[in-house]
Amino acid sequence: EPEVTQTPSHQVTQMGQEVILRCVPISNHLYFYWYRQILGQKVEFLVSFYNNEISEKSEIFDDQFSVERPDGSNFTLKIRSTKLEDSAMYFCASSPSGTGGGWEAFFGQGTRLTVV
Amino acid sequence: GENVEQHPSTLSVQEGDSAVIKCTYSDSASNYFPWYKQELGKGPQLIIDIRSNVGEKKDQRIAVTLNKTAKHFSLHITETQPEDSAVYFCAASKNTGKLIFGQGTTLQVKP
Repeated sequence: EPEVTQTPSHQVTQMGQEVILRCVPISNHLYFYWYRQILGQKVEFLVSFYNNEISEKSEIFDDQFSVERPDGSNFTLKIRSTKLEDSAMYFCASSPSGTGGGWEAFFGQGTRLTVV
Repeated sequence: GENVEQHPSTLSVQEGDSAVIKCTYSDSASNYFPWYKQELGKGPQLIIDIRSNVGEKKDQRIAVTLNKTAKHFSLHITETQPEDSAVYFCAASKNTGKLIFGQGTTLQVKP
C-alpha cells in the first residue's frame, strides 16, 4: 500500500542551526502539506503546497520556514534558524487532488525535531 | 477563527462496549470531516471521513454522524477491542486541504 515516508525519524539540532526535514509523498498525489504537533497538543497546520507553490500557510509558518519540491518525488521543510519552541513532531501529508473530493490526507510517520 | 473542539479528552471503556467521541466546529463553510487514529510513535491514520452532503457513514464497527445545523460530528466505535486503544483526532476542512484538528481523545479499551 502506498505511503508517505519521512526522514529522518528523529533530528536533534542546536538552537540557531538550519534543519531540513524530508518527505516522499504518495506518487500520484498533487497536494502536499506540513503539520506539526507539539508534545501533548493538537496537530497544527503549517503549509499546503500545490503546483510548485504555496497555496496556504498558517501564522506559524513565518520567514524562518520554507518548503520546496526539488524534484518529482521529494518535498522538504526547511527551518533556517531553529528555536527551542520549534521542538515538535513534524508530519508531512499528501492528498490525491483538491477539487470535487479527493481531499483525503495521508500522513507520514513524522520527524521528531528536538532543538537544544 | 477556525476552531474544532473535541470531547472527551480521555475515554476508558470495557472491551465490547461502545465508544463515542464528539466534535464541534466553528466555521460553517467546513464541508469535509475526517477522523484519524494515532498510535504511539506513528503518524495519524485516516479511519473514516464524511462530507457535508451526507448525515451518516458507516464502515464495519465505526460510524460517523454529522449535524451541519448544530455544527457537530461524532465518531462511534462499536464492539471495542483492545487494539482500538489509541488517540483519535477529528478534523474539519473547507475543501482547501487545510485540516483543523481537535485536541484529541485518548481511548483506552480494557480487556
